[in-house]
Amino acid sequence: EVLMTQSPATLSVSPGERAALSCRASQTVSTNVAWYQQKPGQAPKLLIYATSIRATGIPLRFSGTRSGTEFTLTISDLQSEDFGLYYCQQYNNWPLTFGGGTKVEIK
Amino acid sequence: QVLLVQSGAEVKKPGASVKVSCKVSGYNLRELSLHWVRQAPGKGLEWMGGFDSEHGEQIYAQKFQGRVIMTDDTSTDTAYMELSSLRSDDTAVYYCALISAPPNWFDPWGPGTLVTVSS
Repeated sequence: EVLMTQSPATLSVSPGERAALSCRASQTVSTNVAWYQQKPGQAPKLLIYATSIRATGIPLRFSGTRSGTEFTLTISDLQSEDFGLYYCQQYNNWPLTFGGGTKVEIK
Repeated sequence: QVLLVQSGAEVKKPGASVKVSCKVSGYNLRELSLHWVRQAPGKGLEWMGGFDSEHGEQIYAQKFQGRVIMTDDTSTDTAYMELSSLRSDDTAVYYCALISAPPNWFDPWGPGTLVTVSS
């Protein structure tokens, strides 16, 4: 199975700053990576799919990029509502697998 | 717009089974691929399985093979996930979520069902 490794585990960021979250796949997954945001007590919410396509209603400050098997979610001009947990997921192969998550917290 | 509504929280004893439901509204279940993902307390997301529309069958994560059964009732647009031989480490929130064309991303998600396994 494809192992997705997220880093860092926790990212402390001040409002208005930029956050860069990393996700590395253990083998090639093409561009078949999605990102989710999860708030406490809520279900995950789709942010980005196909590496860089924002889901409906997702603000422009969220962007996704890829370099080989390394994927990055960048949140520009961090807002108070952006703090929470973020997960990457690959869907290139069965089984579908998620990264361990990155917690974005207020600095 | 598709909406997923899940059944309520459950408390089960070790060795028992649990059956969680997920009702789809705003769409016909037979046209969708519904999957199940769980999240243990304070842990990450774990895909359990779901409907593979390309091959027309349920597909399960190896970890749950033999212990999980996922079914669809297209007459009521309700999907079910039954997990047997429950252990304490099965305590988790179980989410149903849709995939447009497997394998793919999950969107939308149900609100989750907490299953607690405790003696």
